[in-house]
Amino acid sequence: EVQLLESGGGLVQTGGSLRLSCAASGFTFTNYAMTWVRQAPGKGLEWVSTLTNIDGSPHYADSVKGRFTISSDSSKNTLFLHMSNLRTEDTAVYYCAKTAMVYARGFDYWGQGTRVTVSS
Amino acid sequence: QSALTQPASVSGSPGQSITISCTGTNNDMGTYNLVSWYQHYPGKAPKRVIYEGNKRPSGISNRFSGSKSGNTASLTISGLQVEDEADYYCCSYVSSGTWVFGGGTKLTVL
Repeated sequence: EVQLLESGGGLVQTGGSLRLSCAASGFTFTNYAMTWVRQAPGKGLEWVSTLTNIDGSPHYADSVKGRFTISSDSSKNTLFLHMSNLRTEDTAVYYCAKTAMVYARGFDYWGQGTRVTVSS
Repeated sequence: QSALTQPASVSGSPGQSITISCTGTNNDMGTYNLVSWYQHYPGKAPKRVIYEGNKRPSGISNRFSGSKSGNTASLTISGLQVEDEADYYCCSYVSSGTWVFGGGTKLTVL
């Protein structure tokens, strides 16, 4: 059974940093791209970042480019999102999602999310 | 990276059918049907209900169907049930590891 468990959320001040983790199990972690999606309060889902499995390249939404870094530790089957220079608009629930083998098929499994609150 | 356009809300009665539209541009919808749809109950993990425009994942009811015409994709839910009341999001694969979501549609089952 595929399981994704996010952690690391919390309250941080503007300009601060935070690292989110996503512990994955139930599938061969290195065979799949992994993605972070967020939902700000009262807003919709927003794609944030993907770490591809083909060449390990990261991709970012314009809203976080230069501030967020996606990475992984394959020995621990864990995905990370390093967030720096945080803004109030980064306040959201952050979901980790397993990307389908064929990228066009979207995200086939999701975690329950971890909440990040950025306060001024 | 502008969000795809969805209606903010739709509603229907049990047993009826509803359709949610999702409109993008040539850049983000493209020629192929690379749209997936997600059902999201507040506070829960989103669930994929349609992928590649019209395919259902294992375990998803055949009451859910998808289609695409031009730059507009659609999700149809037939035989509405109370438990279908949720938020629904479309998502298009743009290119090389980037995606864009729609703004979301709140489905109310009256």
